[in-house]
Amino acid sequence: AQSVSQHNHHVILSEAASLELGCNYSYGGTVNLFWYVQYPGQHLQLLLKYFSGDPLVKGIKGFEAEFIKSKFSFNLRKPSVQWSDTAEYFCAVSTTGTASKLTFGTGTRLQVTL
Amino acid sequence: GAVVSQHPSWVICKSGTSVKIECRSLDFQATTMFWYRQFPKQSLMLMATSNEGSKATYEQGVEKDKFLINHASLTLSTLTVTSAHPEDSSFYICSAKPGTSADTQYFGPGTRLTVL
Repeated sequence: AQSVSQHNHHVILSEAASLELGCNYSYGGTVNLFWYVQYPGQHLQLLLKYFSGDPLVKGIKGFEAEFIKSKFSFNLRKPSVQWSDTAEYFCAVSTTGTASKLTFGTGTRLQVTL
Repeated sequence: GAVVSQHPSWVICKSGTSVKIECRSLDFQATTMFWYRQFPKQSLMLMATSNEGSKATYEQGVEKDKFLINHASLTLSTLTVTSAHPEDSSFYICSAKPGTSADTQYFGPGTRLTVL
C-alpha cells in the first residue's frame, strides 16, 4: 500500500517569502499526485495535480510542484507567499488502475504573517 | 463547476442514536463517491468507496454495519452512523469523482458530528 509523508507540520513565513513544502511517497508503481489546500473553515480544494508528462506542474494561485521520480517526491513551491495563503496543505497520492483511492499526508499548516 | 455539498454541516446527537449525512454532487454525475474521516489536526482517513448502484467498499478497520453507505443515484450518497457513540465524534468529509475525470476528486465542506 502507498503512503505519504509530509515532514513540515507547521511552517511560519513572512509575506513575500518563498515557500517549499515537502512531500514524499512510497509506492513502487505509477502514481498520480495531488496537492490540496484547506483554508480556515472551508473545504478541501485542488491546488494542482500530476498524472503524466511535464514533471513541473503549475496550479492555481501561483503554486507549482515538481515530481522527481527518483526521489519519490512532489514538493510544493511558491516564490512569494501572501497572507491569504494561510491554510492547511495536504499532499495526496493515488495509484493508477485502482478505484482512485487517495492516500493523504498528515498535512502542513502554513501560517503567513504580515 | 464540480461542486459537492454536504448536509448537515454540523450535528449533535445523543449516544445510541443514528445520524444520516448526505453528500451531493451539484453540477456533475459522480459514479464514485468517497467518505473520509478527519480527526483534529490530523489527515483525512478514507473510510469507504461508494459506487452508484452497488455495495460500498470499506477500508480495513471500518465497521460496515456501523457506517452504512448508500449510493442510490449518480448525485447522492449517504452515510449513516448507526448507534453513535462519543468516539464517533469527528469531521466527516465526502468527495465525488466525475465519471469523465481520471482521478480528480472534488470535496464537500464536511460534517461535524458530535455525539454526547
